[in-house]
Amino acid sequence: DTAVSQTPKYLVTQMGNDKSIKCEQNLGHDTMYWYKQDSKKFLKIMFSYNNKELIINETVPNRFSPKSPDKAHLNLHINSLELGDSAVYFCASSQDYGRKNNEQFFGPGTRLTVL
Amino acid sequence: AQSVTQLDSHVSVSEGTPVLLRCNYSSSYSPSLFWYVQHPNKGLQLLLKYTSAATLVKGINGFEAEFKKSETSFHLTKPSAHMSDAAEYFCVVSDYLGSQGNLIFGKGTKLSVKP
Repeated sequence: DTAVSQTPKYLVTQMGNDKSIKCEQNLGHDTMYWYKQDSKKFLKIMFSYNNKELIINETVPNRFSPKSPDKAHLNLHINSLELGDSAVYFCASSQDYGRKNNEQFFGPGTRLTVL
Repeated sequence: AQSVTQLDSHVSVSEGTPVLLRCNYSSSYSPSLFWYVQHPNKGLQLLLKYTSAATLVKGINGFEAEFKKSETSFHLTKPSAHMSDAAEYFCVVSDYLGSQGNLIFGKGTKLSVKP
């Protein structure tokens, strides 16, 4: 069974479009995250959700909006896509938030290419 | 604020020889530290974690890391490299008390293994 899954795995779209990436975890975790990995492999946190509340929101454009219909899902919506949004987006989850040994489990990633 | 520095962007070893991936951290309090591995076109997998118990931490696939507070280091080692170890490795610190309360990734070290 896949612990953290993401769909789609690949997403190719035109500038200006709106797209969504879905994430689901079956680990019973309380917190979920979205990370962006740029072309140089650098990973940076974008959002995290704990019990349906947004905990942190890094300085990402407001074109990006996380939506969590329930504890097991955290979807990422992106409006008016730009070339610079091309990256690999990873979803992750952890048991809870703010613990010292906060091990996170990652999904396989979604490679977004904006043309 | 917490941060990690991976001292080498690329390490190349021959199969059967030892692996050393270097990581230094900066933390104003007792940190939690992790090593994650990312194989090509795959998600991230936890190799091992340090959470203030034993300073020598053993992980999966024969990897281990030693926490040295005096040197603020958490280097990853393996006695004998295997071809399947070729991947990107990330040293990570947990910012569990900071405003982010999250994982902060190093920039990664690409490990190449020559036959």
